[in-house]
Amino acid sequence: EIVLTQSPGTLSLSPGERATLSCRASQSVSSSYLAWYQQKPGQAPRLLIYGASSWATDIPDRFSGSGSGTDFTLTISGLEPEDFAVYYCHHYGSTSYTFGQGTKLEIK
Amino acid sequence: EVQLVQSGAEVKKPGESLKISCKISGYSFTSYWIGWVRQMPGKGLEWMGIIYPGDSDTRYSPSFQGQVTISADKSISTAYLQWSSLKASDTAIYYCARLHGGYSSTPADYWGQGTLVTVSS
Repeated sequence: EIVLTQSPGTLSLSPGERATLSCRASQSVSSSYLAWYQQKPGQAPRLLIYGASSWATDIPDRFSGSGSGTDFTLTISGLEPEDFAVYYCHHYGSTSYTFGQGTKLEIK
Repeated sequence: EVQLVQSGAEVKKPGESLKISCKISGYSFTSYWIGWVRQMPGKGLEWMGIIYPGDSDTRYSPSFQGQVTISADKSISTAYLQWSSLKASDTAIYYCARLHGGYSSTPADYWGQGTLVTVSS
């Protein structure tokens, strides 16, 4: 089973700054099968990015995804107050689905 | 409008059985995979398994194989997650979600609101 390790565990930034979140896979994964989710307290996860770099519906372009092989990145350029949440990377395959442990993005 | 509406919160005792539901509307229920995800209190997301309601093809993550049963009723566009004997460690929020695009190798794009299951003696 593929293990996804996210770093950092917590990221403290101010509105307007740039956030860089990392997700490392235990073995090479197809970028077609890597997604990022945002989760706010008391809410279901929200799909942000799929296929490593494609925006889901209605996602602002300040969110961007990149990476390949074992290293993937979610970048949020110009943090808005509503962006402070927990972010999960996710590998989805026909026989294997896993989430990273999450990165909490908090207001500094 | 795509909607996944889950059944309400449950409080159960260890050893009891439980079946929670996820009612789908706004798209063809039999054309998209449905997944179930666990979130234990204060913890991250765990993928439990998926089902294709069209033919009931079901796949479980290794950690949940034999621990839960995923099913679907096409006649009422509803997916289910059930336990035969609950444990305290089953206390969690459970989400259902639709897999995008009608294929199993796709991310979940629409989610239910979650069902809180509390197991306590």
